[in-house]
Amino acid sequence: SAVISQKPSRDICQRGTSLTIQCQVDSQVTMMFWYRQQPGQSLTLIATANQGSEATYESGFVIDKFPISRPNLTFSTLTVSNMSPEDSSIYLCSVAETGGQETQYFGPGTRLLVL
Amino acid sequence: SQQGEEDPQALSIQEGENATMNCSYKTSINNLQWYRQNSGRGLVHLILIRSNEREKHSGRLRVTLDTSKKSSSLLITASRAADTASYFCATLDSGYALNFGKGTSLLVTP
Repeated sequence: SAVISQKPSRDICQRGTSLTIQCQVDSQVTMMFWYRQQPGQSLTLIATANQGSEATYESGFVIDKFPISRPNLTFSTLTVSNMSPEDSSIYLCSVAETGGQETQYFGPGTRLLVL
Repeated sequence: SQQGEEDPQALSIQEGENATMNCSYKTSINNLQWYRQNSGRGLVHLILIRSNEREKHSGRLRVTLDTSKKSSSLLITASRAADTASYFCATLDSGYALNFGKGTSLLVTP
């Protein structure tokens, strides 16, 4: 199974600022996903990030607010822009095994608090 | 989009007892996966069951899937305090992104 790391593990930020979260995988993967988990809630998909193409965003999420980079098959970043307290969440990246229709493995998450 | 619904939302049992969590979903699926999350950390993959499978075992875990009822159950036998966590079901349809349920919070007391 893929081993995924995220940086930072947690951060406290001021409103109006931006934070970039990094996701590193120990093997090459085609499909990477970014999820948000608001306090006490389940996970909601933000976007799918495939190398070599623009990220695909889910309804309610836009590129200006959550720009994503996917420069290679082992790395991706998610930026949370112009943050407000409502952005306080855990942000998780995940990767799908070959074909994308199998097990997804998740990183440890980034816990973000916006003041 | 959220598809799965787990019940109960919260479950409290004693060590040694079995814990059963249920998940219902709305549309056709390719597979259903169960995850565990400890104290707001990352998700740990527990088990994947495909739409053409009815039951799967992994250690103390038993998962069933009833596609006619669009439901699944996760049974943890002989529970331990270390099983205390939130458990989520997630479905995969024809796409590639998981649709998560709201989760069941399990508390196992010594």
